[in-house]
Amino acid sequence: GDSVTQMEGPVTLSEEAFLTINCTYTATGYPSLFWYVQYPGEGLQLLLKATKADDKGSNKGFEATYRKETTSFHLEKGSVQVSDSAVYFCALSDTDKLIFGTGTRLQVFP
Amino acid sequence: DTAVSQTPKYLVTQMGNDKSIKCEQNLGHDTMYWYKQDSKKFLKIMFSYNNKELIINETVPNRFSPKSPDKAHLNLHINSLELGDSAVYFCASSYQADTEAFFGQGTRLTVV
Repeated sequence: GDSVTQMEGPVTLSEEAFLTINCTYTATGYPSLFWYVQYPGEGLQLLLKATKADDKGSNKGFEATYRKETTSFHLEKGSVQVSDSAVYFCALSDTDKLIFGTGTRLQVFP
Repeated sequence: DTAVSQTPKYLVTQMGNDKSIKCEQNLGHDTMYWYKQDSKKFLKIMFSYNNKELIINETVPNRFSPKSPDKAHLNLHINSLELGDSAVYFCASSYQADTEAFFGQGTRLTVV
């Protein structure tokens, strides 16, 4: 079946560092891809999405490009802030649900 | 206005009790879900409803029974609670089953 693999965390960075969180997927069709963010004690919020190959999703300085050839959707940000500390989930759309990766915790220190 | 709201936010109860979690969405979506998040943050789908009809039931014990009185509501009733049911339960909704989902704030269930 379809699946999503994310890099293990935690990812620990200093403020203003460059962020990459890797995400690869396995799918039989052409899914949409998503990044969600979960701040402590809160629900998941959609961060960005891409619906077809070569699409780039972006929001709040975060970007991810749908790469069909490498089945990847890596999340990047040029300069992280302490307020970006959260758990990030990569997900894909199956025919009738979203399938999530295991989540990657990001910790940003001043 | 909260798009997807679930109550209660916290629920502490003893083993063997029966409890319910309520969920409502005001987005006009046709599809609603229940997800379970374990202590390691892993998210697993439990149920999916489309227009009040059950679409997905992912090998969840039959102690868990979802109820959808209308397409804006999807409640979760749990009978005979066990220690292993302790988790955060998220309600979500989407326009279609393969589009982005909007999540509630979660219900942290602790069974003691």
